Amino acid sequence: QVQLQESGPGLVKPSQTLSLTCTVSGGSMSSGDYYWSWIRQPPGKGLEWIGYIYYSGSTYYNPSLKSRVTISVDTSKNQFSLNLSSVTAADTAVYYCARVPGYRVGILDYWGQGALVIVSS
Amino acid sequence: EIVLTQSPATLSLSPGERATLSCRASQSVRSYLAWYQQKLGQAPRLLIYDTSDRATGIPARFSGSGSGTDFTLTISSLEPEDFAVYYCQQRSNWPFTFGGGTQVEIK
Repeated sequence: QVQLQESGPGLVKPSQTLSLTCTVSGGSMSSGDYYWSWIRQPPGKGLEWIGYIYYSGSTYYNPSLKSRVTISVDTSKNQFSLNLSSVTAADTAVYYCARVPGYRVGILDYWGQGALVIVSS
Repeated sequence: EIVLTQSPATLSLSPGERATLSCRASQSVRSYLAWYQQKLGQAPRLLIYDTSDRATGIPARFSGSGSGTDFTLTISSLEPEDFAVYYCQQRSNWPFTFGGGTQVEIK
């Protein structure tokens, strides 16, 4: 069974870049059967889809964040990453990585446990 | 961007009762509407996709219906583990978006 695990700093200073990595186990990202996504949830609030990536490197970013977001993939490590630049307190959230079936793009069928990132000086 | 509006915000029910949750889209999402359950401190879990298809391992008491702009998640008889927050989500248009959630709480 596939598992996803987020990792990265839990505290980021304003104006700096938030960086998180998601490690996928129980399946190869290179199979091409899935896309890989990032979603976030501010404390006590709803969910926002940040973007997603295919193993080939093709990316799809939410227009609301597109100018600040980069998602990349390292198939040799079975990992994909999120960089969010110029962060503010509004970027404080639990960040989730999740899997998207290629035959049903837009469904999130497996999720990581989430990583809380606080933006504060 | 498609806006999803969920109602009610909070639903207070007792175990064994029927829960009916609503999700309305600002424009048609065809049948591309999913439901997720989120318990406190946990990641969301996929329940229903494409309006009415249950995800793997989801009990039959969960069912979905609707089309176009109006959708419903029904829990036929609430079990203690069903008290949680439920989100709808559309995959018709990018960016894919979520509703604001309905909390199902114990009465």
